[in-house]
Amino acid sequence: QEQLVESGGGVVRPGRSLRLSCAASGFILSSYGIHWVRQAPGKGLEWVTFIWYDGSNDYYADSVKGRFSISRDNSKNMVYLQMNNLRAEDTAVYYCARGRGWLLDLWGQGTLVTVSS
Amino acid sequence: EIVLTQSPGTLSLSPGERATLSCRASQSVGSTYLAWYQQKPGQAPRLLIFGASNRATGIPVRFSGSGSGTDFTLTISRLEPEDFAVYYCQQYDSSPGTFGQGTKVEIK
Repeated sequence: QEQLVESGGGVVRPGRSLRLSCAASGFILSSYGIHWVRQAPGKGLEWVTFIWYDGSNDYYADSVKGRFSISRDNSKNMVYLQMNNLRAEDTAVYYCARGRGWLLDLWGQGTLVTVSS
Repeated sequence: EIVLTQSPGTLSLSPGERATLSCRASQSVGSTYLAWYQQKPGQAPRLLIFGASNRATGIPVRFSGSGSGTDFTLTISRLEPEDFAVYYCQQYDSSPGTFGQGTKVEIK
């Protein structure tokens, strides 16, 4: 069964850091790009970042550029999102999603990040 | 960046009725690289339609997509109780793949 499972969310103070993890199973992770998409409470979907299948390229939304960093370890079937200098507006459920290019065909269940003092 | 505008914001219908959701792009979406996702409360989004009109694996035939260029439509032929949810369109033709703001289909 193809699956993505996020972890690492929690409550963090503004300015601090957090690292999210996305564990893939049931498919060959190294064949796919992976995206992170977030959803603030009661709001719509916001694309955050994307990493190519081999980690050679990555892309970021302007809202997180310079603060967030995506990486992957295909040998461990893992993708990571390092979030630094967190702000209140980063509060959201963060989803990792498998990408066929920019088409997101498999989503994880999400992990909640709350940035609050 | 391509901006997608969905209408209406909320659609109030009864089970068994037909739902028609619209997604309009600020510029042409090449090769019909337009997708629809369904999100139920407390759940992750799920891919419904890709390539404007192709159902994803396991999606019932009552869901259909159409359109090209800048105007796209998602139709649910007869609403089932489990179809009441929020629907998002997404263009994946150009970077970044942008989402519409969503249409909520609620029970009337």
